[in-house]
Amino acid sequence: DAGVIQSPRHEVTEMGQEVTLRCKPISGHNSLFWYRQTMMRGLELLIYFNNNVPIDDSGMPEDRFSAKMPNASFSTLKIQPSEPRDSAVYFCASSLRGTGANVLTFGAGSRLTVL
Amino acid sequence: GQSLEQPSEVTAVEGAIVQINCTYQTSGFYGLSWYQQHDGGAPTFLSYNALDGLEETGRFSSFLSRSDSYGYLLLQELQMKDSASYFCAVRDQALGGQNFVFGPGTRLSVLP
Repeated sequence: DAGVIQSPRHEVTEMGQEVTLRCKPISGHNSLFWYRQTMMRGLELLIYFNNNVPIDDSGMPEDRFSAKMPNASFSTLKIQPSEPRDSAVYFCASSLRGTGANVLTFGAGSRLTVL
Repeated sequence: GQSLEQPSEVTAVEGAIVQINCTYQTSGFYGLSWYQQHDGGAPTFLSYNALDGLEETGRFSSFLSRSDSYGYLLLQELQMKDSASYFCAVRDQALGGQNFVFGPGTRLSVLP
């Protein structure tokens, strides 16, 4: 099992540019989460999908952020336009609904720097 | 809403025992999790308590008291590799029980 796979691992971009982060959850997992981690705010839940359907995006900071899950094996988090305050580590995590729902498996994260 | 409190830092020596406390407030509680995160790494799952009492997994144990809205992670026979940040996380009823809210984290430093 390759675990949760995220790309890119590092992204440096300039303010105003579009950023797309990608995630491949563990095969068979049907819940997917996007978290953001900063020193100031810690780990924040941005959005959660269940069976590819967004359940709650109330954690998404503003309209500049959007997330999609077109199929069970792929999700994207897009920021357009990016701003310096978006600099953070973005984690994708997946879990298996039911007996596995208590365990989140995180990807290695995508470290975003917006200049 | 939900809120969790943890000490920001704990320091201990190799071979010692350390306890990291977590208090929480939530509207609908399912359980309390603990995650470990090394610098530059991803959070990794350590334990989950849904019921009161102590759960033991090797050198690590986790305790929950639902009536006190309190839990702790106990690390025994500390090793240098245990130096990391430790997060408690509440699983609550929002999002159909899929909402995991993380505490601010406790940075554990293990000294030789």
